[in-house]
Parts: sequence; structure tokens; C-alpha cells
Amino acid sequence: GESVGLHLPTLSVQEGDNSIINCAYSNSASDYFIWYKQESGKGPQFIIDIRSNMDKRQGQRVTVLLNKTVKHLSLQIAATQPGDSAVYFCAELKGNYGQNFVFGPGTRLSVLP
Amino acid sequence: DGGITQSPKYLFRKEGQNVTLSCEQNLNHDAMYWYRQDPGQGLRLIYYSQIVNDFQKGDIAEGYSVSREKKESFPLTVTSAQKNPTAFYLCAASRDRSPMSSYNEQFFGPGTRLTVL
Repeated sequence: GESVGLHLPTLSVQEGDNSIINCAYSNSASDYFIWYKQESGKGPQFIIDIRSNMDKRQGQRVTVLLNKTVKHLSLQIAATQPGDSAVYFCAELKGNYGQNFVFGPGTRLSVLP
Repeated sequence: DGGITQSPKYLFRKEGQNVTLSCEQNLNHDAMYWYRQDPGQGLRLIYYSQIVNDFQKGDIAEGYSVSREKKESFPLTVTSAQKNPTAFYLCAASRDRSPMSSYNEQFFGPGTRLTVL
């Protein structure tokens, strides 16, 4: 399988519990953020996004919280399932164009049976 | 994988050889990107193209080259000048062309794992 993510921080949660994955970003002027999920050997998949004029955004089983004061982003996954096991990383948009995304290294989520 | 295909999935190359990674999209998106992913690190931008026949260097362009002759295709060549080419390479596309009226979500391909022997 893909070796990406070998040295990442790992979060282990029991199936059915809630997961919280954190991300610190660098630029207080960043105004758009995305959470991606990356399964082993695959490309990243969009989960949820949030603009800087929001503090919270909810999707299906996922919630993103943005704390601009401390430049912190979190992804909450409710009722974590085995299929949620993956590497999760955040991306911040630091300018007006897509080439200005900065990606975090990610956190590996392992769901225990 | 969002209408983006990358081939091959696994690629092996001998030292000193150039190799080209394919990226094709059917999303009709203007902008395309190449990233490199290494263990424990975030994605790093190699090259990007906002429109056909135009491309710009990203943060780690040395040892790489690209072309954008067609809107749907953005191949990446890893040259022998790239000192540490073994990595997972990701191609992405977004609607990105003009100042944001909608934000520039990037859709990623499945990636190509390049190993230099």
C-alpha cells in the first residue's frame, strides 16, 4: 500500500465514538479552508469546507469548526465508522487562486472495532 | 476520483531516466496542478496551469517540467535532474480562473507512485 502517512500523528477511536481531528494554520489572512480524506493509495477526497466568515459548518456526520483567534481548525466526525479510517488533512487558501493552497501533513485516523 | 485520471498507478524508473506522468480531466476545469506527497509532509506544489498553453512554477519545480497543450491534459515529466524523485504524485483540477466568486475546491486524481531504482 501507499507509504504516505507513515510518520503522521495517529488518532485511534472506538467504532461509534466521535472523532476530533485538529489542524493549526499559519496565516491569519487565509479565508477559505478545506478538509480532505485520503485513503491508502488513493487521491484526497473533499469532505467539507468553510469560509473565514463562518465559525462552524455541518455536513453529513461531519462538522468543521474554525477558531480564527488561535488559527485553529477542527474536524468532528460523529459515530465514527470503519470506513472513516484514513488520513485527514486540512488545506488553507492563502490567496485568491487555487495555487495558493497550503496543505497540512495530516492525521491518521484508525477506527477500532 | 472526480473525473481525473492518472496513469500509471505505479511507475518504476532507473536513475538517469526521464519519465512522464499522465493526468487527464473531464471536468472542463481551467486550472490544473501537480503536487508531490512525501511521508509525514503536506502536499507540495510542483507546477500549475490556469489556462491552456500557460503554466507556472510552484514551490518545488526544479527537476520537473510540464506542458498544457490541451485543456484536459497536464502531463508532468520527472527529469533526471530531480535528485529525489521517489514519491507519490497527485494531479488536481479546479475551476480557478478568475478572482473567486466561488472558492477553488481542488479535485484530485488517484495518484501515481513513482519509484526510482
